[in-house]
Amino acid sequence: DVQLVESGGGLVQPGSSLRLSCEASGFTFDDYAMHWVRQAPGKGLEWVSGMTWVSKVIGYADSVKGRFTISRDNAGNSLYLQMNGLSPGDTALYYCVKALGATESRAFHVWGHGTMVTVSS
Amino acid sequence: FEMTQPPSLSVSPGQTASITCSAENLGEKYVSWFQQRPGQSPLLLIYQDSKRPAGIPERFSGSNSVNTATLLISATQAVDEADYYCQTWDANSHWVFGGGTKLTVL
Repeated sequence: DVQLVESGGGLVQPGSSLRLSCEASGFTFDDYAMHWVRQAPGKGLEWVSGMTWVSKVIGYADSVKGRFTISRDNAGNSLYLQMNGLSPGDTALYYCVKALGATESRAFHVWGHGTMVTVSS
Repeated sequence: FEMTQPPSLSVSPGQTASITCSAENLGEKYVSWFQQRPGQSPLLLIYQDSKRPAGIPERFSGSNSVNTATLLISATQAVDEADYYCQTWDANSHWVFGGGTKLTVL
């Protein structure tokens, strides 16, 4: 079974940094594009960033550009999101998502359970 | 690039629910649909406008034309009560979600 397990969330103060991790199993990780999607409490879904199978950055949402960095370790079956300069507006449940294929425009298929990030003083 | 969904929709059990997603020239792009039940992660229902992943019931179908994509849920059941999101890929905005539609079955 495909599994995506996120970790690294927590309660941090404004201006802090966090690194989210997503450990993947049950599929050939380096055959698929991967994404981060977030959902603020009681709100809708927002795409954050994505990366193709060959570690090409698909892009970043305007709201996180310049502050967040996506990366992946294909040998370790892991996806990461380095988040700097966090603000209360970044408070959300962050999901790791496996695409249906390798490239940027392939549909989002399997979602993890998410890791919660709370930014508050 | 923005996509507009109705915030809410009510349907009676056994009826067909029609959830729309609108944007200029949306018919020229592929649209996906997700279901999110309370407290759960989103589930892919439809991709490339009308394709169903393995395990998704035939009750769920999709279409996309001109400026509107539509998710149809036939023979609606109480278990279908959830939030539904459309999504598309735009070369400039990358991945974009609609605002979501809360479906109530009553």
